[in-house]
Amino acid sequence: DIQMTQSPSTLSASLGDRVTITCRASQSISSWLAWYQQKPGKAPKLLIYKASSLESGVPSRFSGSGSGTEFTLTISSLQPDDFATYYCQQYNSYSGTFGQGTKVEIK
Amino acid sequence: EVQLVESGGGLVQPGGSLRLSCAASGFTFSSYEMNWVRQAPGKGLEWVSFISSSGSTIYNADSVKGRFTISRDNAKNSLYLQMNSLRAEDTAVYYCARDMAPGSGSDCFDQWGQGTLVTVSS
Repeated sequence: DIQMTQSPSTLSASLGDRVTITCRASQSISSWLAWYQQKPGKAPKLLIYKASSLESGVPSRFSGSGSGTEFTLTISSLQPDDFATYYCQQYNSYSGTFGQGTKVEIK
Repeated sequence: EVQLVESGGGLVQPGGSLRLSCAASGFTFSSYEMNWVRQAPGKGLEWVSFISSSGSTIYNADSVKGRFTISRDNAKNSLYLQMNSLRAEDTAVYYCARDMAPGSGSDCFDQWGQGTLVTVSS
């Protein structure tokens, strides 16, 4: 099975900061990677698919990059609505493994 | 508007059974592959089961193999998860989630339900 490892687990940042979250796959997944945002008590929301494609309606301050085994999610200027937990997910195989999550907190 | 509405969660004793349902609307349900994803309290997301648009192809996580069965009724626009031999570690919010692109094989999930809580405890 493909394992996904996110870092950091928790990130403290201020409004307006540039934030980067990293996701590493245990083997190559080409560009079959998605990023989700989840707020407490809510379902996850798709932000990025195919490593760098922005889902419709998602603000352009979110961007994704990478291929193979290393990927990043970047928020260019952190906004109040962005404090949440972020998950990566590989979909190179049907197991659809998620990373353990990165909680973005207010500094 | 796409809607996925789960139901059927609740409190069940270890070893018991429960059947979850997910009612879909706002899209052509019979064209899309569907999944169940769960989240234990305070924990991350875990994919549970996949079913193809016709129901002919099914995949399950190792953690639920032999105990959980995913199914669908395209005439009723509904997805199901039959959960047997439940364990304390199955306690979680269960979400139904839609594959992003019909017929694309393994895919990410662009639509999610609000989730239904399953608690396994004596």
